[in-house]
Amino acid sequence: EAGVVQSPRYKIIEKKQPVAFWCNPISGHNTLYWYLQNLGQGPELLIRYENEEAVDDSQLPKDRFSAERLKGVDSTLKIQPAELGDSAVYLCASSDGVNTEAFFGQGTRLTVV
Amino acid sequence: RKEVEQDPGPFNVPEGATVAFNCTYSNSASQSFFWYRQDCRKEPKLLMSVYSSGNEDGRFTAQLNRASQYISLLIRDSKLSDSATYLCVLGGFKTIFGAGTRLFVKA
Repeated sequence: EAGVVQSPRYKIIEKKQPVAFWCNPISGHNTLYWYLQNLGQGPELLIRYENEEAVDDSQLPKDRFSAERLKGVDSTLKIQPAELGDSAVYLCASSDGVNTEAFFGQGTRLTVV
Repeated sequence: RKEVEQDPGPFNVPEGATVAFNCTYSNSASQSFFWYRQDCRKEPKLLMSVYSSGNEDGRFTAQLNRASQYISLLIRDSKLSDSATYLCVLGGFKTIFGAGTRLFVKA
């Protein structure tokens, strides 16, 4: 069975440009997470979905970040405009419940120059 | 106070050593606990869940102390392949990761 798939793996953009990341969770997993991970830090939750509903987006910087999960399957995370401080790894994870194992994709490494 | 705190290390140990990591958490209502392992430039992967009664998986033992709000991970007979970052995780509606503890096992 395929795991969590993310694309692109790497992205380099100039500041003030928009960027989007895509995630396809494990089939049947209703819970989807987007995390941001800076070097030397643990993943920090940006947003959690239950099916198509964003049930926790309290840590999402809504002035520049947006996310959607149409039809409760794939999800996209967008940054517009990107800032230098957004350089990080963006991880998508999915699970079949809030107290169960989260499976991670390989992440998208974003560099803003 | 951070919700999950870990000693960042790094821990440098020789092969065959026993090493222990601790993690403290602030939310006494937390229901589920995990240890994840993250290799350099890779995604985190579940190492083991942590149960109130404690649990063991081969060379790895996890313990939970609810009264003191900490969890621990013990690795016995360390292998070179154990070199990684170990992340303490609180499950639930806000799955929260600690910053991780780096382990280097040397020959």
